[in-house]
Amino acid sequence: DTAVSQTPKYLVTQMGNDKSIKCEQNLGHDTMYWYKQDSKKFLKIMFSYNNKELIINETVPNRFSPKSPDKAHLNLHINSLELGDSAVYFCASSQANQPQHFGDGTRLSIL
Amino acid sequence: DQQVKQNSPSLSVQEGRISILNCDYTNSMFDYFLWYKKYPAEGPTFLISISSIKDKNEDGRFTVFLNKSAKHLSLHIVPSQPGDSAVYFCAASRYRSGANNLFFGTGTRLTVIP
Repeated sequence: DTAVSQTPKYLVTQMGNDKSIKCEQNLGHDTMYWYKQDSKKFLKIMFSYNNKELIINETVPNRFSPKSPDKAHLNLHINSLELGDSAVYFCASSQANQPQHFGDGTRLSIL
Repeated sequence: DQQVKQNSPSLSVQEGRISILNCDYTNSMFDYFLWYKKYPAEGPTFLISISSIKDKNEDGRFTVFLNKSAKHLSLHIVPSQPGDSAVYFCAASRYRSGANNLFFGTGTRLTVIP
């Protein structure tokens, strides 16, 4: 059973397009997150959602918008993709003050 | 502004010997520290953690040491095994303040030589 699953695993698209990455967790956790790992392998928090409320937004451009239809899902929508958006995006989830569990990542490549 | 740093990008160790991975942080508000292990094409997997009220936490072959005055933590793996070869990320958080987001270091690639 996959605990945190992301789709798609790979995403190749043109600059200027709009795309979405989906994330689902079956752990019953209250909080979900999105992280970005850039070309220097630096993992940085983008968003977190707790009980469908955004509680952290680390100055990410507003082209990025998280959407959580329910506690088990946190999708990431990206508008007007730019070259600098190329990265690996990781979804994670946790229960309060417990270690986060990560998905296997979505590698986004902008042509 | 990187608040968590892992200054060694790579480390090679013989099988059976001890692996020591180091991590430094700058934010004195961090009160919870974690180590994650990552294989290629997979997400980080939680390995071990330590609260700032402790200076040592042990789980099988893995021990994490915390030196708050030096803002330094280390992960000891003994004995090292070939299956331990992976990238290890140090992470820190301010759990007591209710902030759950993790600040990660850039990782150390450990290679255990059979």
